[in-house]
Amino acid sequence: ETGVTQTPRHLVMGMTNKKSLKCEQHLGHNAMYWYKQSAKKPLELMFVYSLEERVENNSVPSRFSPECPNSSHLFLHLHTLQPEDSALYLCASSQDVRQGTYEQYFGPGTRLTVT
Amino acid sequence: GQQVMQIPQYQHVQEGEDFTTYCNSSTTLSNIQWYKQRPGGHPVFLIQLVKSGEVKKQKRLTFQFGEAKKNSSLHITATQTTDVGTYFCAGSNFGNEKLTFGTGTRLTIIP
Repeated sequence: ETGVTQTPRHLVMGMTNKKSLKCEQHLGHNAMYWYKQSAKKPLELMFVYSLEERVENNSVPSRFSPECPNSSHLFLHLHTLQPEDSALYLCASSQDVRQGTYEQYFGPGTRLTVT
Repeated sequence: GQQVMQIPQYQHVQEGEDFTTYCNSSTTLSNIQWYKQRPGGHPVFLIQLVKSGEVKKQKRLTFQFGEAKKNSSLHITATQTTDVGTYFCAGSNFGNEKLTFGTGTRLTIIP
């Protein structure tokens, strides 16, 4: 499946580093999402973008900064992270921002480890 | 806020046995979706249920939406090793289409 791609697939970073996660969708969808998946926790929605406009921010700490330059690309900029931010970060897209109506297509995720 | 719980959290079954996971919402849902995540993989959409009491089948998988639209279930008949993974339900509310994922049920198969 290559509908939604994410890079890098694995990332190890120190607490003082700055890094970015990239997501690209090739499905012509209008909505894109960032999720955090930690062990023993449900998927946590972080940000929602609809046609490049942020429509939801779920009380995410400012050390996570999203960017959506166009409807096909989504970035998550990371800086001064904490060890508890280590998790699988999943990008997803759907046809429309009405999440409950359309299924979401997930990328393979970036496994982030903060040391 | 809306909460979606799933039980059981883990299920180990002998290959060939049946498996069921239950999803319960604290609020009435407008619809519910089910996803499967293989070990080391990402969630993949399986199905969406919209109508009260709706039942849908996909080969050995049967999905049901409760009459009150507050619960749902996924039943797998005669499990196979390819069924291994974590099954998530995800629901949304009327007027607020935010999708809330359940806690997931991890299924392992004993060959």
